[in-house]
Amino acid sequence: AQSVAQPEDQVNVAEGNPLTVKCTYSVSGNPYLFWYVQYPNRGLQFLLKYITGDNLVKGSYGFEAEFNKSQTSFHLKKPSALVSDSALYFCAVRDLLFSGGYNKLIFGAGTRLAVHP
Amino acid sequence: NAGVTQTPKFQVLKTGQSMTLQCAQDMNHNSMYWYRQDPGMGLRLIYYSASEGTTDKGEVPNGYNVSRLNKREFSLRLESAAPSQTSVYFCASSEGEVLNQPQHFGDGTRLSIL
Repeated sequence: AQSVAQPEDQVNVAEGNPLTVKCTYSVSGNPYLFWYVQYPNRGLQFLLKYITGDNLVKGSYGFEAEFNKSQTSFHLKKPSALVSDSALYFCAVRDLLFSGGYNKLIFGAGTRLAVHP
Repeated sequence: NAGVTQTPKFQVLKTGQSMTLQCAQDMNHNSMYWYRQDPGMGLRLIYYSASEGTTDKGEVPNGYNVSRLNKREFSLRLESAAPSQTSVYFCASSEGEVLNQPQHFGDGTRLSIL
């Protein structure tokens, strides 16, 4: 079965320090991977995606993600965390076994990022 | 630039009551989705509509029905609400035919069933 895992329920980081939010995936074929962020009482917002090409993908708000095929990982990173980055982060993978002609996503359970001043 | 608009934002129902959650998008997207979000479980797909005129079940369709009213609107109905349906419901849309395009989400409806 295809799946995505976010092994950490919460990540705590001091403001100004680098942050990493982890994601691993399991798919049959080449993965299409996404990161979304959810602020309190809001819907999910798209941050970035990996489809093909460079393993380092740059996205919104200074975030980037590193695709590692051998480790089946797609970790989200930012060089210097801000308090305003505190939110819930979701990794998602496209369901390659689905042939319904649209982008069906499988979401991880989410990781809460807390950036402390 | 509204994007995806959901109404209402909050609702409290009694067990057995019915309710329709409304969703509209103004991005001319073909595909629309309904998810529920529960703590520690991420998002689970309830129903989706790949294009106007079609709807299909997702992971957790029991207790729900949907209507794709037109290209813009996709509603979710609870015929007889149960406490297990207490959740946050999100509507999303995407271009659909263009694969790997991101989904765009509304701000959710917070539903409590007493």
